Amino acid sequence: EVQLVESGGGVVQPGGSLRLSCGSSGFTFPDYAMHWVRQAPGKGLEWVSIISGDGDTTNSADSVKGRFTIARDNSKNSLYLHMTSLKSEDTALYYCVRDGRCSSVTCFGWFDSWGQGTLVTVSS
Amino acid sequence: DIVMTQSPDSLAVSLGERATINCKSSQSLLYTSNKKNYLAWYQQKPGQPPKLLIYWASTRESGVPDRFSGSGSGTDFTLTISSLQAEDVAVYYCQQYYGNPRTFGQGTKVAIK
Repeated sequence: EVQLVESGGGVVQPGGSLRLSCGSSGFTFPDYAMHWVRQAPGKGLEWVSIISGDGDTTNSADSVKGRFTIARDNSKNSLYLHMTSLKSEDTALYYCVRDGRCSSVTCFGWFDSWGQGTLVTVSS
Repeated sequence: DIVMTQSPDSLAVSLGERATINCKSSQSLLYTSNKKNYLAWYQQKPGQPPKLLIYWASTRESGVPDRFSGSGSGTDFTLTISSLQAEDVAVYYCQQYYGNPRTFGQGTKVAIK
């Protein structure tokens, strides 16, 4: 069974930084591209970032480009999101998500497995 | 960016009746080389993460009840719940994976009438 478990969320002041982690099990982690998707309280879903299975290629939404960095450690079956210069509009539940089809960033797939999410609150 | 627009925003359906959700994309999601539509549907129940229901516009994910079906091509798509059950109360999202950034519809809330 695929399992994704996020951690690292919390309350941070505007302009601050935070690192989210996602541990995985139940599948061969390097075989899959991985994503972060977020959901502001009471709102819809927003794709944030993708990283290829080998970790060499990434892409991010314009809303976080230059502030958030996605990374992975395949030896630890773990995914990360380094968030800096946080804004109030970054307040959301952040989900770690597996790509259902692809290992590369240039292949486009659906989101087939989701973690429970970790909540990030940006507030003074 | 590809804009995804769902309709209606909410609907209430009697138990056992059909529920239909529409999703329209701002550009075609049909990739001509493989004739596949790059569209997925998700179900999100309160307090839970989204769950994949449908991909390639009409392929049901393993374990998803066959009362859920997806149809459509190009820019217009539909998710149908043929006989609504109490456990189907949720918000449903369409999502395109034709290009970056992946984008979602705003969601459709399904309730029991």
